[in-house]
Amino acid sequence: GAVVSQHPSWVICKSGTSVKIECRSLDFQATTMFWYRQFPKQSLMLMATSNEGSKATYEQGVEKDKFLINHASLTLSTLTVTSAHPEDSSFYICSARRLAGAPDEQFFGPGTRLTVL
Amino acid sequence: AQRVTQPEKLLSVFKGAPVELKCNYSYSGSPELFWYVQYSRQRLQLLLRHISRESIKGFTADLNKGETSFHLKKPFAQEEDSAMYYCALRGGSQGNLIFGKGTKLSVKP
Repeated sequence: GAVVSQHPSWVICKSGTSVKIECRSLDFQATTMFWYRQFPKQSLMLMATSNEGSKATYEQGVEKDKFLINHASLTLSTLTVTSAHPEDSSFYICSARRLAGAPDEQFFGPGTRLTVL
Repeated sequence: AQRVTQPEKLLSVFKGAPVELKCNYSYSGSPELFWYVQYSRQRLQLLLRHISRESIKGFTADLNKGETSFHLKKPFAQEEDSAMYYCALRGGSQGNLIFGKGTKLSVKP
């Protein structure tokens, strides 16, 4: 089956530092990847849509200069949280959209727990 | 506006009882709806989609356009069904999913 991995699974960093989270589709090509944020006991909120080779599309209210997204290949997208603050602490989840073959489906990574001290 | 509403945060039933998790949506076009499940300490995974009209793990969901609903049902709940269930709507030009707030299903022995 289609598998999406995320690295790291958890990270603790100091306020003001930057953190990079990787999202990989392991056995399929994903022209589109999505980044979500999930607060405790709340739903997933879409942050941005990442297309291979082009700029990401950010949802309203998401600072693109703070959450840098790069989708350099068909199997890798990265999210960099720049100058992290405690309020950025959250669970970040990526998903990859598989278009080749049927059905069109999104596969989710296991998530990355970010804690900013 | 595109929106998915799951009115129940928590649903608790006994094993063998029927279960229905409610989902209502708001979408101006022709909706594509999904149910995702997240078991404890596992990633989100697709349970079923309305276009497939299939039954997965005994769950079914019917799209009711008149009531703008996509409720998830199972006639006899099992303890292993205990999980977080999210209803989702595919919207936008790039196929992003819009999630409801989720319902935690607890099936007691």
